[in-house]
Amino acid sequence: LAKTTQPISMDSYEGQEVNITCSHNNIATNDYITWYQQFPSQGPRFIIQGYKTKVTNEVASLFIPADRKSSTLSLPRVSLSDTAVYYCLVGPQNTGTASKLTFGTGTRLQVTL
Amino acid sequence: GAVVSQHPSRVICKSGTSVKIECRSLDFQATTMFWYRQFPKQSLMLMATSNEGSKATYEQGVEKDKFLINHASLTLSTLTVTSAHPEDSSFYICSASRLGMAQDTQYFGPGTRLTVL
Repeated sequence: LAKTTQPISMDSYEGQEVNITCSHNNIATNDYITWYQQFPSQGPRFIIQGYKTKVTNEVASLFIPADRKSSTLSLPRVSLSDTAVYYCLVGPQNTGTASKLTFGTGTRLQVTL
Repeated sequence: GAVVSQHPSRVICKSGTSVKIECRSLDFQATTMFWYRQFPKQSLMLMATSNEGSKATYEQGVEKDKFLINHASLTLSTLTVTSAHPEDSSFYICSASRLGMAQDTQYFGPGTRLTVL
């Protein structure tokens, strides 16, 4: 599985847009990029997944450049409740079997007033 | 939909005892369930992959005789920590993968906090 590198932590004020970038230089052709959010003492929650270009859902946007060696999770207008650890993972999809997920260090986002 | 539960949510036990943690997919069938362990301020570490009706596959460094995994049905997997010791104290999280789906449909349970005295 491709290794990922993220900033250890980020700080933001409430109402701002937050962009978290993840590097995955060794991403394979059939790898997808998935982001999870984890609150303290809870299991991770799926946020968004993409393969290339841009993906948007009701929670976030995911920007993936043409070379796919990095990706950026964009959280619009964060609130205090967005304070959490955000994990970027890369791995294959649609292989017919469930793929193992390898979690990196994640990015600890702290949102303040 | 796609809810995964764990029971208990928190358990405290004495050193040397065994503890069983249940992971259930409540509204879908899961051919594969995964067990993770997370120490404070650290990332999730995959312990084992559990497939219904077959033996679990353990990650390197995880003792299969200490962490017994049973996946007897498509909605239930159990992790038993045998002869628990204080160093086994951790946050244990399971995830379940929907039948026929792949990576983006791994749903995580709320976790179980194990404290061994």
